[in-house]
Amino acid sequence: NAGVTQTPKFQVLKTGQSMTLQCAQDMNHNSMYWYRQDPGMGLRLIYYSASEGTTDKGEVPNGYNVSRLNKREFSLRLESAAPSQTSVYFCASSEASTPLHFGNGTRLTVT
Amino acid sequence: SQQGEEDPQALSIQEGENATMNCSYKTSINNLQWYRQNSGRGLVHLILIRSNEREKHSGRLRVTLDTSKKSSSLLITASRAADTASYFCATALYGNKLVFGAGTILRVKS
Repeated sequence: NAGVTQTPKFQVLKTGQSMTLQCAQDMNHNSMYWYRQDPGMGLRLIYYSASEGTTDKGEVPNGYNVSRLNKREFSLRLESAAPSQTSVYFCASSEASTPLHFGNGTRLTVT
Repeated sequence: SQQGEEDPQALSIQEGENATMNCSYKTSINNLQWYRQNSGRGLVHLILIRSNEREKHSGRLRVTLDTSKKSSSLLITASRAADTASYFCATALYGNKLVFGAGTILRVKS
């Protein structure tokens, strides 16, 4: 019963490098989300996917792209990492208007 | 911009005491949810209260919602050391796009 699985758990990038954060859920949820968490800021929505094949911008989408690969997987890509993208990234999933289930996060540092 | 604002930012109490956290928000909502986050972990859902509800209970948790004041409170009764965590309110404006507050850090001393 894994729930929401995020990989990697930790990552250090140099400015300008690219990487993809992976997220998979095994609860057959239609909706998936990417949030970032910064100290004192709570969680801010980057992108979400209401269903397979659809994605939409959240509050802070600049510098990110997403892919809803299938119903289970929703990836977040940083094309050219910047120090301002140093954060903890959380993936979540839900069904309709039910509460969100979160992964344990990816801690990203951009130097 | 943040929809929800928690108060206080940090709270330290003794085991067995009650802990009260407040959340204020700015616009009309569909529902309001409370989540807990233990250090280094993801958020875990605690309770959801809909806009037409005024109070809800779950075990030692009691949540109230006052839509006229655009505020909610989370009460944890008879707190335990294991309740030490950050607590976040989140509001659903439409659909399931949640907007989170900055959180309250609760420390329960044993």
